[in-house]
Amino acid sequence: GAVVSQHPSWVICKSGTSVKIECRSLDFQATTMFWYRQFPKQSLMLMATSNEGSKATYEQGVEKDKFLINHASLTLSTLTVTSAHPEDSSFYICSASQGAGELFFGEGSRLTVL
Amino acid sequence: AQSVSQHNHHVILSEAASLELGCNYSYGGTVNLFWYVQYPGQHLQLLLKYFSGDPLVKGIKGFEAEFIKSKFSFNLRKPSVQWSDTAEYFCAVMVDSSYKLIFGSGTRLLVRP
Repeated sequence: GAVVSQHPSWVICKSGTSVKIECRSLDFQATTMFWYRQFPKQSLMLMATSNEGSKATYEQGVEKDKFLINHASLTLSTLTVTSAHPEDSSFYICSASQGAGELFFGEGSRLTVL
Repeated sequence: AQSVSQHNHHVILSEAASLELGCNYSYGGTVNLFWYVQYPGQHLQLLLKYFSGDPLVKGIKGFEAEFIKSKFSFNLRKPSVQWSDTAEYFCAVMVDSSYKLIFGSGTRLLVRP
């Protein structure tokens, strides 16, 4: 199946700093990618829909100025957590569609803010 | 708003026992339905999906699910579980072919040898 890769897989940062997470579709082009957040022992919550060449669409309650999403090419979307705080610590997961309604998920990126 | 409910948060079974995990969704329009599995330390993998046609869908590793439209349900089943099925299982709904997935809260399955 199609492969989606995230980098870094884990990151630790100080409070107040910004962190960038990359999501790449390795063997297919993805016009749309999705970013999810997963808290411990909870489900995945959709944060935003990332569209290549246009602004991301954020879900209700997600701060667009805090979670900056850029979809610069058909194979890369980035999520930047700006001025991170401990409550932003979470597992961030991206997914991409190859078409036919199926999504492929990245391995996830665990963010810990000290 | 659309939502997905998984009734069993934790399930513990012995090997060879039968499994059924419940999933209900709330949406009156067209839906595509999915079950994903997340093994410990790994990323989400697709078990099976339903788009249209036969409401009984067979997936990988002996799993199957039945879409019952009148009950808004898509329960996952396996006749005989193995220790290697220990994982977390997520039901998800895609509405109106939007590619946007709404996930249930997940069910943690522990299979004892």
